[in-house]
Amino acid sequence: QVQLQESGPGLVKPSETLSLTCTVSGGSISSYYWSWIRQSPGKGLEWIGYISYSGSSDYNPSLKSRVAISVDTSKNQFSLKLSSVTAADTAVYYCARLHHYDSSGYIFDFWGQGTMVTVSS
Amino acid sequence: QSVLTQPPSVSGAPGQRVTISCTGSSSNIGAGYDVHWYQQLPGKAPKLLIYANTNRPSGVPDRFSGSKSGTSASLAITGLQGEDEADYYCQSYDSSLSAWVFGGGTKLTVL
Repeated sequence: QVQLQESGPGLVKPSETLSLTCTVSGGSISSYYWSWIRQSPGKGLEWIGYISYSGSSDYNPSLKSRVAISVDTSKNQFSLKLSSVTAADTAVYYCARLHHYDSSGYIFDFWGQGTMVTVSS
Repeated sequence: QSVLTQPPSVSGAPGQRVTISCTGSSSNIGAGYDVHWYQQLPGKAPKLLIYANTNRPSGVPDRFSGSKSGTSASLAITGLQGEDEADYYCQSYDSSLSAWVFGGGTKLTVL
């Protein structure tokens, strides 16, 4: 069973860069796509972006100018950087596996437990 | 405002059947993109419940079922149990936004 675990600072100052890492265990990071999703307090879910094991990536256009996702296959990890954060970026951040189940379909089939990040001075 | 619209809340008594709707548009559900459903128990991460409109991952009880028609989809839960009390989210892809999108979530209360 694949397991994912987020790690990183729980408090980030406004205008700084939020950095999180997701460690994958119980399976290889290769051959799959990996994603970040966030959930603002009391609100719904927002897809942030994904990266493949080979390093190709795509991001939500609403965040694209501030997001970078990278992968380290030697450590079975992938990471998120979100720059110029504001209070609006305060949320629970989840990492998830993005599984390609058919010719055009993708699902988030395994999720980490999530990590709360607060943006505040 | 979410791209996919869900009722904020639904409720039902134990043993009853409830449905949760998910309404989209011609750039997402209506464009033929599959709809998936996730269950989020209090304080937990979302869990995949239904994928590709009607399919249940291994381990999901057959009390949960999904359907899709036109620009909408629905999740049905029969034989309601107290452990079903959770938030439920639909998800699809939107070609106008070039992004995977989620509904705003529906809180299910078991009376």
